Amino acid sequence: GAVVSQHPSWVICKSGTSVKIECRSLDFQATTMFWYRQFPKQSLMLMATSNEGSKATYEQGVEKDKFLINHASLTLSTLTVTSAHPEDSSFYICSARAPPTSGRASYNEQFFGPGTRLTVL
Amino acid sequence: AQSVTQLDSHVSVSEGTPVLLRCNYSSSYSPSLFWYVQHPNKGLQLLLKYTSAATLVKGINGFEAEFKKSETSFHLTKPSAHMSDAAEYFCVVGGIQGAQKLVFGQGTRLTINP
Repeated sequence: GAVVSQHPSWVICKSGTSVKIECRSLDFQATTMFWYRQFPKQSLMLMATSNEGSKATYEQGVEKDKFLINHASLTLSTLTVTSAHPEDSSFYICSARAPPTSGRASYNEQFFGPGTRLTVL
Repeated sequence: AQSVTQLDSHVSVSEGTPVLLRCNYSSSYSPSLFWYVQHPNKGLQLLLKYTSAATLVKGINGFEAEFKKSETSFHLTKPSAHMSDAAEYFCVVGGIQGAQKLVFGQGTRLTINP
């Protein structure tokens, strides 16, 4: 099946620093990737939709300048948490959607990465 | 707009007994519906999906769900619970063609008692 990886799986950083999280589709090309945030014991909340070669579309209430998203290739999207603060501590999960013509995925199915646990001290 | 409601935040069953996790959805169009499972500190795994084909959908690990349009429901069931089924389960609704976003339910934590 389609595999999506994330790196790192966990990271601890000091307040005020920036952290970059990578999301890769390992065996398919993903024209669209999604970034979610999950607080403890809560559901996933979509942060932004990332399309290869264009600017990300952010959900209402998500700060574009704080959560920088780059989708430079069909297999890689990055999320950079800038000037991180303790309230940014969360579980960040990415997903990737293969093009409908790929034959690999049903329409609208997203393949999820294992997540990145961010702790800001 | 689309939304999904998981009716129980926590379900506890004994090993070997049936599992029922309830989900109701709201959608202006014929939706795509999914059930995902998340084990502690892990990513999401797709259990099954409904995409306007058969209304009874069979998934992995013995799970199945039935799409009932008249009741706007997509409940997840399993005849016999196993200890390894203990996890968080999410009912998810997706859009029609061209709408890519998934909307997640609040999640149901399934506990299996020995």
